Amino acid sequence: LAKTTQPISMDSYEGQEVNITCSHNNIATNDYITWYQQFPSQGPRFIIQGYKTKVTNEVASLFIPADRKSSTLSLPRVSLSDTAVYYCLVGDLGAGNMLTFGGGTRLMVKP
Amino acid sequence: GAGVSQSPRYKVAKRGQDVALRCDPISGHVSLFWYQQALGQGPEFLTYFQNEAQLDKSGLPSDRFFAERPEGSVSTLKIQRTQQEDSAVYLCASRQRETASYEQYFGPGTRLTVT
Repeated sequence: LAKTTQPISMDSYEGQEVNITCSHNNIATNDYITWYQQFPSQGPRFIIQGYKTKVTNEVASLFIPADRKSSTLSLPRVSLSDTAVYYCLVGDLGAGNMLTFGGGTRLMVKP
Repeated sequence: GAGVSQSPRYKVAKRGQDVALRCDPISGHVSLFWYQQALGQGPEFLTYFQNEAQLDKSGLPSDRFFAERPEGSVSTLKIQRTQQEDSAVYLCASRQRETASYEQYFGPGTRLTVT
């Protein structure tokens, strides 16, 4: 499985756009990129998934450059409730079913 | 609809005791996963079921850990002779039939503390 590297922590303020970048230099052709969010005392929650270019849903956008060696999760206009740990995962949907989490990025949104 | 539920939410065990952790997946979800999350770290895979079949148990840390899903719905993770290093949050997740998505639905976890 491709190894992912993301910042340990980030700070932001309410109303700002937050971009969290994940490096995955060894991503394979069949690998997808997925992001999960985890609040304290809760299980992780799926945010977004993509393969290339840009994906947008009601929660976030995911930007993936052509070489796919990195990806950026973009959270528009964050609020205090977006304070959480964000995990970047890379894997082949067809090769096994388990999720491999790294250490994640702890996002702190301040008033 | 109802999500994944786990019980108990908190469990304190004395070293050497056996514990059983329960997971109720989303109704109809074929796949069920158990993960272990140590404090300050990301979840780590323990084992995976498709219906009642345990297809992967490569993540179970020792033979003290045992999981079952006898009727393809509720699952139980059992830890025998608990040790302090077993203290962690145990997360259960379920997933629909194989789809073009990595989305798994997680329960709130059971926090196990071994004293």
